[in-house]
Amino acid sequence: ETGVTQSPTHLIKTRGQQVTLRCSSQSGHNTVSWYQQALGQGPQFIFQYYREEENGRGNFPPRFSGLQFPNYSSELNVNALELDDSALYLCASSLAQNRVRDTQYFGPGTRLTVL
Amino acid sequence: AQTVTQSQPEMSVQEAETVTLSCTYDTSESNYYLFWYKQPPSRQMILVIRQEAYKQQNATENRFSVNFQKAAKSFSLKISDSQLGDTAMYFCAFQGGSEKLVFGKGTKLTVNP
Repeated sequence: ETGVTQSPTHLIKTRGQQVTLRCSSQSGHNTVSWYQQALGQGPQFIFQYYREEENGRGNFPPRFSGLQFPNYSSELNVNALELDDSALYLCASSLAQNRVRDTQYFGPGTRLTVL
Repeated sequence: AQTVTQSQPEMSVQEAETVTLSCTYDTSESNYYLFWYKQPPSRQMILVIRQEAYKQQNATENRFSVNFQKAAKSFSLKISDSQLGDTAMYFCAFQGGSEKLVFGKGTKLTVNP
């Protein structure tokens, strides 16, 4: 069984740029959730994708957008980067059957630094 | 909105001893799940234990067990026979009717040799 993977591991960008982070869900999972973890804080929910549709969104501006592909992998896009976007971005996958939730399993994260 | 509070920013324990990490939460929902995740310096968030609110029996996973007090909205984690590899940040998390996990701010646990 393959676990959740994320790429890249680290990324450095400058203010105003755009970034795309990628996540491959665990084998057999159909749901992907994205979280932002600022230094010294717990993760904050960005949004979730279930069967290629957004299924809930946290308190993040529209410049945070996402996508889920038919193979259930996912992308997180952030436009017009700000310094406060510097954080660890975590992807978690789970299996939802008839929209009944299941445990979320996390990937190793992408560390984004915005200069 | 749900909130999760971890009142112990840092804790330490001697190897082989027992330690308890505290977590309280606030919700008006009756059907929910609670989790403890571990995040070592490698950053990967690892599931430690899960508790369904409708189950009265406390969850146990090897050396890890919880004390779930639904009326008090308390969900503590007990680690028995602490090992050096238990050194990590521990996060308590709540999952209600929405699909998102709501995390506390974490407790940094250090296991000393």
